[in-house]
Amino acid sequence: DAGITQSPRHKVTETGTPVTLRCHQTENHRYMYWYRQDPGHGLRLIHYSYGVKDTDKGEVSDGYSVSRSKTEDFLLTLESATSSQTSVYFCAISETGTMNTEAFFGQGTRLTVV
Amino acid sequence: AQTVTQSQPEMSVQEAETVTLSCTYDTSENNYYLFWYKQPPSRQMILVIRQEAYKQQNATENRFSVNFQKAAKSFSLKISDSQLGDTAMYFCAFSNYNDMRFGAGTRLTVKP
Repeated sequence: DAGITQSPRHKVTETGTPVTLRCHQTENHRYMYWYRQDPGHGLRLIHYSYGVKDTDKGEVSDGYSVSRSKTEDFLLTLESATSSQTSVYFCAISETGTMNTEAFFGQGTRLTVV
Repeated sequence: AQTVTQSQPEMSVQEAETVTLSCTYDTSENNYYLFWYKQPPSRQMILVIRQEAYKQQNATENRFSVNFQKAAKSFSLKISDSQLGDTAMYFCAFSNYNDMRFGAGTRLTVKP
């Protein structure tokens, strides 16, 4: 299995508070991604990174920011959590981008905003 | 923007039988990849099979095969000799450069 660790695995937070989710990889892959999974929508890309300090927005980036200061870590921050951000969040990694190589996924983080 | 549509929210199949999951997509690109991912109750996303758009030959992986119709923008997954362990959500995905788009998923239940 690819070495991807997401933390925390579960979190309950209050509306309006900032939340940071962490993705840590041991594969030295260049590309890292954050997705959210919601019923009826599948997985939707929030942000991705193609190198240290290099990030770009995905399909549903509003309300989220990311940072990547080291190859192995990719952080997702909800600046002010809202109930619409209640979801399961997945981190994924790939060696050369999802165009032609497999993306490996973490176990997911279930976030509940109350 | 690319879109992926899975029109079957739920399906069921008897153990040892064959089932086909449908997927259509919309793109103006000519070069792309298509994937089927499996998500069992453990929530782990597992790659089942991958198809390169420029290859006409349909991909196969053991009991899993695809029917790729590029002109029709269709990418169905056939599971032969279904096993209880195949019970899962199945997601079709389209990838072009760094933009991987997923369908809403099909929940497959294999019955004993």
